[in-house]
Amino acid sequence: DAKTTQPPSMDCAEGRAANLPCNHSTISGNEYVYWYRQIHSQGPQYIIHGLKNNETNEMASLIITEDRKSSTLILPHATLRDTAVYYCIVRGIYNQGGKLIFGQGTELSVKP
Amino acid sequence: DSGVTQTPKHLITATGQRVTLRCSPRSGDLSVYWYQQSLDQGLQFLIQYYNGEERAKGNILERFSAQQFPDLHSELNLSSLELGDSALYFCASSESGVAYGYTFGSGTRLTVV
Repeated sequence: DAKTTQPPSMDCAEGRAANLPCNHSTISGNEYVYWYRQIHSQGPQYIIHGLKNNETNEMASLIITEDRKSSTLILPHATLRDTAVYYCIVRGIYNQGGKLIFGQGTELSVKP
Repeated sequence: DSGVTQTPKHLITATGQRVTLRCSPRSGDLSVYWYQQSLDQGLQFLIQYYNGEERAKGNILERFSAQQFPDLHSELNLSSLELGDSALYFCASSESGVAYGYTFGSGTRLTVV
């Protein structure tokens, strides 16, 4: 699975968009980008995933660059409840091993 | 409620003891994953079961073992406990090993004293 690099921490003002970057320069053609988040001591929560097209759901938008070497998770109107550690993970959609490997993630603090 | 149930929520035990953590996956999910999260470490993958069979192993200690039963619930057994085993233990489930849509339980907080 390709390695990802994320900033260790970010701040965002409540009500503003939070843009969380992720670098994955070694991503291969059949690997997807997945985002999960973990609110303090809770189980991680799936947010969104994508291959090469931009994706949007009720939680967030995912923008993947044309060369697929980086992506950005966008929380359009961040709230205090979005304060969490956000993990960017790259891997194939099907994997006999099946496991998700979490890195250190980005700790997002949404401030009033 | 995520649909993945972990029991107990909290567990305090002494060094040298043995405990069993239980996980009931979301209905229809065949894969179960166990993760350990201690204060100074991130989420560490321990082991995966798929429909009763071990599918992948991570950094799981020999003192730890797991199994998945015919009704698909899973148990993680931790023995000869040490202080360093104190951690949050999460169980997740997914359908057929697809990487999206993993559903995590709320975890078991184990404290070894």
